[in-house]
Amino acid sequence: EVQLVESGGGLVQPGGSLRLSCEASGFIFSRYWMSCVRQAPGKGLEWVANIRQDGSDKYYVDSVKGRFTISRDNAKSSLYLQMNSLRAEDTAVYYCARIEFHGSGSADWHFDLWGRGTLVTVSS
Amino acid sequence: DIQMTQSPSSLSASVGDRVTITCRASQSINRYFNWFQQKPGKAPKVLIYGASSLQSGVPSRFSGSGSGTDFTLTISSLQPEDFATYYCQQTYSFPITFGQGTRLEIK
Repeated sequence: EVQLVESGGGLVQPGGSLRLSCEASGFIFSRYWMSCVRQAPGKGLEWVANIRQDGSDKYYVDSVKGRFTISRDNAKSSLYLQMNSLRAEDTAVYYCARIEFHGSGSADWHFDLWGRGTLVTVSS
Repeated sequence: DIQMTQSPSSLSASVGDRVTITCRASQSINRYFNWFQQKPGKAPKVLIYGASSLQSGVPSRFSGSGSGTDFTLTISSLQPEDFATYYCQQTYSFPITFGQGTRLEIK
């Protein structure tokens, strides 16, 4: 079955760290750009980061730059999000998503597969 | 950053209605634009990519149009399973941004 399964969420104090994992199965993980998207409770979707197939290119939303690091291990078909210096406003469900290119341009893509998400709560 | 503004923010409609949701980008994004549907407690699901291409498996009552700054999602005849929140998204430039969402409720 083609799927993404996130893990690693939980309750963490402000200033703390957490590492999220996303395990892929049913497809060749190393062929795809991957992404992280989050959703605060009752709020909309917020893109967090993208990573190229070989990990050589990474992009982040400004609010997490310098605090979060996206990485991957293609041998383990896994995506990671290392989150440091966590703040209350980082509280959200974190999704990993697969990027599918539908055209020839670098912006011609969409998220075609999502995990079920893992909840991160930052609170004292 | 490119701002994506959806309207309306919420909408009440009946089964069988034709519904249109719009999304406006703060600058031209060509057709680097997607629509998603999200149901409570579930991950989002892509409906339309590239502004007007229907994702495989999505019913043909969903359609998308537009380019540049103005985009629309149309549901030709609402079904009970369509009551959900809809989000637009631009992939023209980083940071990738979503609209605030349109909640479609049963009248």
